[in-house]
Amino acid sequence: LAKTTQPISMDSYEGQEVNITCSHNNIATNDYITWYQQFPSQGPRFIIQGYKTKVTNEVASLFIPADRKSSTLSLPRVSLSDTAVYYCLVGYSGAGSYQLTFGKGTKLSVIP
Amino acid sequence: SQTIHQWPATLVQPVGSPLSLECTVEGTSNPNLYWYRQAAGRGLQLLFYSVGIGQISSEVPQNLSASRPQDRQFILSSKKLLLSDSGFYLCAWSLLAGELFFGEGSRLTVL
Repeated sequence: LAKTTQPISMDSYEGQEVNITCSHNNIATNDYITWYQQFPSQGPRFIIQGYKTKVTNEVASLFIPADRKSSTLSLPRVSLSDTAVYYCLVGYSGAGSYQLTFGKGTKLSVIP
Repeated sequence: SQTIHQWPATLVQPVGSPLSLECTVEGTSNPNLYWYRQAAGRGLQLLFYSVGIGQISSEVPQNLSASRPQDRQFILSSKKLLLSDSGFYLCAWSLLAGELFFGEGSRLTVL
């Protein structure tokens, strides 16, 4: 199982770009990298997923280097509503590998 | 579109009482199903996962159990609750590639 390591917390001012890095040194060939956002008393919500290089959607970008041992979630121009816990999940739900285990997450606080 | 529902949303139970949390998924077939627990201020702990009817894998030995009587139904149970069972319980489903879809959560307080 790929173990992930993220910073425990980060602070950012409104309007800034935020980059959260996740380390996953023992990522397996079939593993995908998925990021989730969680607000208090809610289930995590999918943000973005990638396998290699760069992925971008309407809310975030995900950068994955060639060795795939880390990944960086980039949130452009954060607002107060982006204050949440962000989790990096590395795994693959299929073919005998179903243990999708979350790390401790990064608590992002956006300051006015 | 796929939806996931779990209930009850909130419950308060005395120590030693039984527990039953239910989760159902609609709009998909043969999903992988998961139960997670989140203690106050903590991360998500994987409790059980299931890849098919009657197939349950436990990640953490404890006094909880899970069952999957139907393809899209996942139940979390306990015969006798402990104080340490308090937390926020989340059901989730996935098809492939680590993309999980979570229910609304059930907050359990054991007194």
